[in-house]
Amino acid sequence: QVLLVQSGAEVKKPGASVKVSCKASGYTFTSYHLHWVRQAPGQGLEWMGVIHTSDGSTYNAQKFQGRVTMTRDTSTRTVYMEVSSLRSEDTAVYYCAREGPSEDGRGYYFDYWGQGTLITVSS
Amino acid sequence: QSALTQPASVSGSPGQSITISCTGTSSDVGSYNLVSWYQQHPGKAPKLMIYEDTKRPSGVSNRFSGSKSGNTASLTISGLQAEDEADYHCCSYAGGKTFMVFGGGTKLTVL
Repeated sequence: QVLLVQSGAEVKKPGASVKVSCKASGYTFTSYHLHWVRQAPGQGLEWMGVIHTSDGSTYNAQKFQGRVTMTRDTSTRTVYMEVSSLRSEDTAVYYCAREGPSEDGRGYYFDYWGQGTLITVSS
Repeated sequence: QSALTQPASVSGSPGQSITISCTGTSSDVGSYNLVSWYQQHPGKAPKLMIYEDTKRPSGVSNRFSGSKSGNTASLTISGLQAEDEADYHCCSYAGGKTFMVFGGGTKLTVL
């Protein structure tokens, strides 16, 4: 079965960086794009960006450009997201999510999600 | 402020039907047949319920249905059950620099 397993919770100080991992299994890793979505406490979901696992190309939401870096390691079937210059507003649960298939090409929806990683930014 | 507008809360009694709206613009919801809906129970990851406006993934109850008119998409849950109590989030492809947008989420209470 498809599984996305993320790294554990972390506490960081303002200005620091954090790197979250998402290990995929149960499907052909390079056939599906992986997205990152975050959810601040008590808030809605926020799309952050996508990595094309086939070639490593990425696209970030404008809000995160220059501060978020996504990479992948095909040998371990793992994608990583690093957020730099952390501030208190970055406190959230971060999810990786697989982009689902579509008969018409890109799916633009998320059919499987990781369990989430809580990142707390506090001095 | 979220890009898509959802009601903060809706409620219904067991067995009833409820509808959750998701209003966007002609640049997102109104331009593409790419609205999806997610159910999220407290402390859990979201679960896909509807994709491409109206399609239901395998394993999702046929009590859940999606529709769209103009810039507003809707999720209808019929025959409400206690386990349907959760937060529901809509999402749309928006193209260009925005790419993907979510609504603020709607809390469904089953009375």
